[in-house]
Amino acid sequence: EVHLEESGGGLVKPGGSLRLSCAVSGFTFSNYSMNWVRQAPGKGLEWVSSISATGSYIFYADSLKGRFTISRDNAKDSLYLHLTSLRGDDTAVYYCARGRSLDHWGRGTLVTVSS
Amino acid sequence: DIVMTQSPLSLSVTPGEPASISCRSSLSLLHKNGDNYLHWYLQKPGQSPQLLIFLGSNRASGVPDRFSGSGSGTDFTLTISSVEAEDVGIYYCMQALQTPQIAFGPGTKVEIK
Repeated sequence: EVHLEESGGGLVKPGGSLRLSCAVSGFTFSNYSMNWVRQAPGKGLEWVSSISATGSYIFYADSLKGRFTISRDNAKDSLYLHLTSLRGDDTAVYYCARGRSLDHWGRGTLVTVSS
Repeated sequence: DIVMTQSPLSLSVTPGEPASISCRSSLSLLHKNGDNYLHWYLQKPGQSPQLLIFLGSNRASGVPDRFSGSGSGTDFTLTISSVEAEDVGIYYCMQALQTPQIAFGPGTKVEIK
């Protein structure tokens, strides 16, 4: 069974940093591109970043302006998102999702940016 | 950038009745390979999104056949032939042609009368 589980969220002060992780199981991780999508409280879905299966190609939403970094470790079946210079509007549930069709999602991890 | 719109933004349906949601893209999502790179997701209350329909009209694994997707180019429709109580939630369309800039529609909230 395909399973994705995010972790690493929490309360962080404005300007702070956080590293999110997504551990996967039930499929060959190295065969799939992966994505991060976020959802602010009461709002819709917003694509954040994608990384190709090998990690050679990386893409970000223009609105992030270089503050986030996606990476993966295929040996550990894990996806990461490093968030820096966090602001209040980064407060959201962050989901990892599999492949180009985002066919499987984790349950998400909540990031709260507040002083 | 592609802009996705959905209508209506909310929908109240009687169980057993049909329901339709429209999704429009500012650019064609028809690839030269003949596929429309438009997917539909349902986010049930308190849950993460789940894939319902991929490439415009293909039901994802385990999705009941009361769900169907249609359309091509810039105009797409998700239809529920007979709404059930478990279908409540927010439905999102998503374009995947103009990668990597994935874009979601604003969502349509479906509730039961």
